[in-house]
Amino acid sequence: AQKITQTQPGMFVQEKEAVTLDCTYDTSDQSYGLFWYKQPSSGEMIFLIYQGSYDEQNATEGRYSLNFQKARKSANLVISASQLGDSAMYFCAMREGTSGTYKYIFGTGTRLKVLA
Amino acid sequence: NAGVTQTPKFRILKIGQSMTLQCTQDMNHNYMYWYRQDPGMGLKLIYYSVGAGITDKGEVPNGYNVSRSTTEDFPLRLELAAPSQTSVYFCASSYKVWESSYEQYFGPGTRLTVT
Repeated sequence: AQKITQTQPGMFVQEKEAVTLDCTYDTSDQSYGLFWYKQPSSGEMIFLIYQGSYDEQNATEGRYSLNFQKARKSANLVISASQLGDSAMYFCAMREGTSGTYKYIFGTGTRLKVLA
Repeated sequence: NAGVTQTPKFRILKIGQSMTLQCTQDMNHNYMYWYRQDPGMGLKLIYYSVGAGITDKGEVPNGYNVSRSTTEDFPLRLELAAPSQTSVYFCASSYKVWESSYEQYFGPGTRLTVT
């Protein structure tokens, strides 16, 4: 079974609008972390936002927010006021394990295209 | 700080050749990782290390070897290159537990083609 599922291979959004990228995860760990990374066409991986499993409030970083619904095991990324530079691949990832055995598992990604 | 550096940026190998992908970080991170990213796909963990002298297999370790003799360096070795190893390879590092959000810092990647 997939541990990180991103069901949207591609998304379009109009410039200045908000967009939600979906991510569901599967883990039996009580302590875990959820991340979103951006990969522009240049190829580098850029960290966007982090949510810890014990964090009660949703994480926010500028125009990025993470809609964390623990009971549903979802960690959706919300990008507000989309910009043309937001066009990229977006990966959801999960850190699980215990001290000394941490692993990161990545989803297959969502390609976002922002339209002018 | 240079962060995570990888060399080379590009490489073409013939089937059966060997090579080492270099990875160095200057952030004193304990954790280091090697991933591969096949076209249109996410990242798959090859090997990881929790500190000098300690390494462990990830999801797709076959055909690769690693070593971690220092905190800074985490080279990835391909012994007998196969076309299935054509991919982009990313090295990453992260803080030790409890010091941060544990985000991973990625190198720029090495694009490897095996023909």
